[in-house]
Amino acid sequence: KAGVTQTPRYLIKTRGQQVTLSCSPISGHRSVSWYQQTPGQGLQFLFEYFSETQRNKGNFPGRFSGRQFSNSRSEMNVSTLELGDSALYLCASSIRTGADGELFFGEGSRLTVL
Amino acid sequence: AQSVTQLGSHVSVSEGALVLLRCNYSSSVPPYLFWYVQYPNQGLQLLLKYTTGATLVKGINGFEAEFKKSETSFHLTKPSAHMSDAAEYFCAVSDRRNAGNMLTFGGGTRLMVKP
Repeated sequence: KAGVTQTPRYLIKTRGQQVTLSCSPISGHRSVSWYQQTPGQGLQFLFEYFSETQRNKGNFPGRFSGRQFSNSRSEMNVSTLELGDSALYLCASSIRTGADGELFFGEGSRLTVL
Repeated sequence: AQSVTQLGSHVSVSEGALVLLRCNYSSSVPPYLFWYVQYPNQGLQLLLKYTTGATLVKGINGFEAEFKKSETSFHLTKPSAHMSDAAEYFCAVSDRRNAGNMLTFGGGTRLMVKP
């Protein structure tokens, strides 16, 4: 079956702009999580959505937001982009929410902020 | 707060040699423990996880890890390295008291396999 699909795969923005990233989870998966990966900070949890509700949120400023739709697809938005927002943004889906669950990751959206 | 430390950002082994990637965690209660692997330009894939029960956990591709509570460790091993094992490996923990999916990752260890 199809894996986690993230679009776009690559994008370039300038400071001050905003960006929206999309994630389609594996069919039947209702939990979607987002992570930011950078060389300096590593992998950091952004937020998790389950059944259209945010379950957990990481320690990121309010410029980072997300949502989940009724078909479990998710989007994340970053407003007023900063150079430090350049990163690989990974989406992961899971059948259910729960601390012991297996996450299935997409290949990521690589954002470059100039 | 939980934290994960992976000793050695880069590990190099010869093909056929033992692979040992170290992971130590800090948590007020024993967490759930995971190892993920990331190949270049790809997302992460679960190798194995420990939630409860037997402390020696076997995963995919011949990897295994042992949970040692007294040492707060969850080291990853493989008896014989293969060239295809070259990748970045991440140890992660989650708080079993949390109802959601939220992983805290270590900094990663890049494994290089020499022919």
